[in-house]
Amino acid sequence: GAVVSQHPSWVICKSGTSVKIECRSLDFQATTMFWYRQFPKQSLMLMATSNEGSKATYEQGVEKDKFLINHASLTLSTLTVTSAHPEDSSFYICSGLRSNYGYTFGSGTRLTVV
Amino acid sequence: KQEVTQIPAALSVPEGENLVLNCSFTDSAIYNLQWFRQDPGKGLTSLLLIQSSQREQTSGRLNASLDKSSGRSTLYIAASQPGDSATYLCAPQQGYNQGGKLIFGQGTELSVKP
Repeated sequence: GAVVSQHPSWVICKSGTSVKIECRSLDFQATTMFWYRQFPKQSLMLMATSNEGSKATYEQGVEKDKFLINHASLTLSTLTVTSAHPEDSSFYICSGLRSNYGYTFGSGTRLTVV
Repeated sequence: KQEVTQIPAALSVPEGENLVLNCSFTDSAIYNLQWFRQDPGKGLTSLLLIQSSQREQTSGRLNASLDKSSGRSTLYIAASQPGDSATYLCAPQQGYNQGGKLIFGQGTELSVKP
């Protein structure tokens, strides 16, 4: 089946530093990847749509300069949280689309900013 | 704007019961609908995908139905087991001319007691 590998699974960083999260589609090519964040006891909120070889499309209210998305190849998309602050602490999940299989999600990254 | 509502928000049942989880969505112009399972602190596992032209899908003890015109989907779990305890998320997918996004409901938190 379709597999999306997401790393790291958890990270703790100091306020003001940047953190990069990687998502790789292992057995399929993901032309499009989506990035979500999830606060405790809440559902997934779409942050941005990442298209291979072009700029990401951000949802309303998501700061594109703070959440940098790069989708340089058909199997790799990255999300960099720049100048992280405690309010950025959340669970970040990526997903890739595989034809006829729907969306496959990564295992998520728990970010804690101290 | 698509809005997804899941009822009930939480459910606690004894082992062996048959369950019905409900999902409603406001925009019936969907491409397909997926049901996911999320364990605490983990990513999402796809359970069932129903194409917009289909009425239902079955996998083992799970059966999902879709009534696109009325904006409803139901996940039926037969003979529930403690291992079924998790949060269940319903996510209709927009058409690709709208970006193909998955929009999530708040989820139903299920607890199956031994």
